Amino acid sequence: DGGITQSPKYLFRKEGQNVTLSCEQNLNHDAMYWYRQDPGQGLRLIYYSQIVNDFQKGDIAEGYSVSREKKESFPLTVTSAQKNPTAFYLCASSMGEGLGGYTFGSGTRLTVV
Amino acid sequence: AQSVTQLGSHVSVSEGALVLLRCNYSSSVPPYLFWYVQYPNQGLQLLLKYTSAATLVKGINGFEAEFKKSETSFHLTKPSAHMSDAAEYFCAVSNYGGSQGNLIFGKGTKLSVKP
Repeated sequence: DGGITQSPKYLFRKEGQNVTLSCEQNLNHDAMYWYRQDPGQGLRLIYYSQIVNDFQKGDIAEGYSVSREKKESFPLTVTSAQKNPTAFYLCASSMGEGLGGYTFGSGTRLTVV
Repeated sequence: AQSVTQLGSHVSVSEGALVLLRCNYSSSVPPYLFWYVQYPNQGLQLLLKYTSAATLVKGINGFEAEFKKSETSFHLTKPSAHMSDAAEYFCAVSNYGGSQGNLIFGKGTKLSVKP
């Protein structure tokens, strides 16, 4: 079955360390997205990519970085510059302009201590 | 520019009662509209979508939504709430040529179901 996989489900890191969240899809989707979710704040877009080797900043890109070297993969790095990294992170993908909707992964909960 | 507003961050209903979650949109072009459901610590799952065909759209788990152009609304309903419907629900609108990805999401409505 095709889908989108985020790993790990739970991640703990010490303050000041960079950490990379994995997102892989086998849906042959062109576009991929990263969202951050905090209680009561809905979904906030971090980065998105419409095609390989290209990506755009979303609303809250500061302190994050991404790469899109393969169509299937869109990893997110949370850097030490991100002031409050503890959150639930969601990856999604879509065909083309997303008119069929997004497919979401199951999320990664990052806790920085 | 496209936008979506969900009225009410929390809605509480009794089991067996009607569920009504409100969504209003703004779009300069004919929109595609979506409802998603999210259970705790999980990703979002597509409930239903409007893609300019029938204005009444039926989705999974007994939910449906009606596209009303005159009211710029796409409210989600279910005739009889079940305990398993307790979750957070997100409305989304297509974002043609926008700079914020291809869908714009509302802030979500958390549905509680009382026994």
